[in-house]
Amino acid sequence: QKEVEQNSGPLSVPEGAIASLNCTYSDRVSQSFFWYRQYSGKSPELIMSIYSNGDKEDGRFTAQLNKASQYVSLLIRDSQPSDSATYLCAVALSGGYQKVTFGTGTKLQVIP
Amino acid sequence: KAGVTQTPRYLIKTRGQQVTLSCSPISGHRSVSWYQQTPGQGLQFLFEYFSETQRNKGNFPGRFSGRQFSNSRSEMNVSTLELGDSALYLCASSLDGGGYYNEQFFGPGTRLTVL
Repeated sequence: QKEVEQNSGPLSVPEGAIASLNCTYSDRVSQSFFWYRQYSGKSPELIMSIYSNGDKEDGRFTAQLNKASQYVSLLIRDSQPSDSATYLCAVALSGGYQKVTFGTGTKLQVIP
Repeated sequence: KAGVTQTPRYLIKTRGQQVTLSCSPISGHRSVSWYQQTPGQGLQFLFEYFSETQRNKGNFPGRFSGRQFSNSRSEMNVSTLELGDSALYLCASSLDGGGYYNEQFFGPGTRLTVL
């Protein structure tokens, strides 16, 4: 079982719709959760971090964390073509130090 | 505040050669992590340095090594290059690395091509 799993996609949504990206993780004691956006040919860019159960909103982005079910999701409201990218879920596992494990990413396509 | 910088941005090497990549973290950041990204494997963790000490290491052969200097700048070295080492090598820095809320910020990466 992979430590961090994401559907590779592509996930296609029409412009203006809500895009929902999901991620599950295997280590129950994971503490920190991150979403990165990566455009083709570029490096990952941190867009959200979440540490407690519930929702965290930042502009059009909402991260949702459910530790009991071991999943974290990212909602993108009013999706724009510029949101088309690969979204990486990252989890900082137990162990004390900064060992972050990344999922393989979900490719999002926003159709104009 | 300046972001993470990596040099060089592109490298072309031949099999059997060695290569050294450099990373300068965000000012004040003490933790530097290195990742290899390939289309098939995604982002794979290589190692993490904090205060000149390697604290974490991924599942890569000993040909991959690194170090960190007192100013937090880090280098990674790959010896005896293989074709499969062709990848984007990413460096990420974070403030401390050992805490609960530390976020990693990536540099632009070094694209290594091995011929």
